[in-house]
Amino acid sequence: QKEVEQDPGPLSVPEGAIVSLNCTYSNSAFQYFMWYRQYSRKGPELLMYTYSSGNKEDGRFTAQVDKSSKYISLFIRDSQPSDSATYLCAMSIGFQKLVFGTGTRLLVSP
Amino acid sequence: DTAVSQTPKYLVTQMGNDKSIKCEQNLGHDTMYWYKQDSKKFLKIMFSYNNKELIINETVPNRFSPKSPDKAHLNLHINSLELGDSAVYFCASSQDGTVGEQYFGPGTRLTVT
Repeated sequence: QKEVEQDPGPLSVPEGAIVSLNCTYSNSAFQYFMWYRQYSRKGPELLMYTYSSGNKEDGRFTAQVDKSSKYISLFIRDSQPSDSATYLCAMSIGFQKLVFGTGTRLLVSP
Repeated sequence: DTAVSQTPKYLVTQMGNDKSIKCEQNLGHDTMYWYKQDSKKFLKIMFSYNNKELIINETVPNRFSPKSPDKAHLNLHINSLELGDSAVYFCASSQDGTVGEQYFGPGTRLTVT
């Protein structure tokens, strides 16, 4: 079993929809939780960075962490075709290495 | 102005050859990383260096040898290439204490035939 599980998708939604992307993890020692976006043939770029449990909002993006359930989510409001990409969750224990999920491919159709 | 750059972008080579990938960052970061992304998009860390010192060395065959001539550069040399080495290799960097905030290069797509 992988440390971090993520549905690979693809997840197809119409423009304007609310998107929910999720990851589950097995190691309760993870403290830092990140979401990276990766466009095709590009490197990942950091979207959201949260510490411990709770919510964090940045524009159309909201990250949620539920440490009791070992579950993290990324919500995208008013999704746009330009949001079409692969979304990778990542987490770390302190300042150790990042452990990534396998990524969920999102397709937003106009 | 490119933050993290890698060369080459594409690399096609035959089994048994030796090849190198170069990485440079102009962000002034102290820590640099090498990742391998397989065909299923799974991104896994291989190495990390902090101020030219090896910090993380995952279970990677010793055919892979990173070298950091200074804190702005981290190169990856691969000996005796195998078919299973085909992947996209990403370099990344971060400032001390911000392992979660990594800046990735554009990747090097390695194909071993």
